[in-house]
Amino acid sequence: LAKTTQPISMDSYEGQEVNITCSHNNIATNDYITWYQQFPSQGPRFIIQGYKTKVTNEVASLFIPADRKSSTLSLPRVSLSDTAVYYCLVGPQAAGNKLTFGGGTRVLVKP
Amino acid sequence: KAGVTQTPRYLIKTRGQQVTLSCSPISGHRSVSWYQQTPGQGLQFLFEYFSETQRNKGNFPGRFSGRQFSNSRSEMNVSTLELGDSALYLCASSLFRDETQYFGPGTRLLVL
Repeated sequence: LAKTTQPISMDSYEGQEVNITCSHNNIATNDYITWYQQFPSQGPRFIIQGYKTKVTNEVASLFIPADRKSSTLSLPRVSLSDTAVYYCLVGPQAAGNKLTFGGGTRVLVKP
Repeated sequence: KAGVTQTPRYLIKTRGQQVTLSCSPISGHRSVSWYQQTPGQGLQFLFEYFSETQRNKGNFPGRFSGRQFSNSRSEMNVSTLELGDSALYLCASSLFRDETQYFGPGTRLLVL
C-alpha cells in the first residue's frame, strides 16, 4: 500500500477554507484516495473518495492532479465543529478492507 | 438506518484477564473489520470478517481473535490482557468487501 505524508497539524478560523494536502508519490494505478475525519474518542467518519481530477460532495472537495502523486482535501467555510483529525488513505479498492492509517492532520478551527 | 454499534463502550480489566467486545454492523452490511487505536501506534488493522470467515489479519499476536456470526454481528476477544492492550477498539462495516467502511464509536478498554 502506498505511503502517505500529510502535515501534522493546521490551524484555521471559522468561515475560512481549509486545504489539506497529502503526498503519495508511490500511488499505484489501481489505488484510490480516501479521506476520513475523526473526533476524539469516536470512530473515523468517511468524508470523500476519488481516483482522479475532482470529486465534490456535500461536505468537501477532493482535488487530484493528473500525476496523482498528491491530493488536496478542501473543507469550505469551516466551523468550530470541524476541529478533528483528518486521515488520507491510499490503496486499492480491493484491499480486503485492510485500511492503513497514517498519522493524520490535526485541524484546529479557532473562533 | 442505524449505524455501527459497539458494546460495551467502556471497559476496565486487569492484567491476565480476557475480554470480549461486540460489534453490530449496519443492517445489510456483511463485512466487519476491527482496528486498534492507541496514542503511540495510531490506528492499526486487526482483522476482517466476511461471511463468517476471517479474510485478512493484521500483525497482532494470537491473543487477539475474533469471529463473525451468520447475522454478520462480530465479536473480538483478547486473552491474557496486557497493559499495552489499553486502547480504543474500533469496528467498521461495509456492504461487501472492498467497499467504503463505516466505523462505530469504539470500545475504550483500560487494562490495569
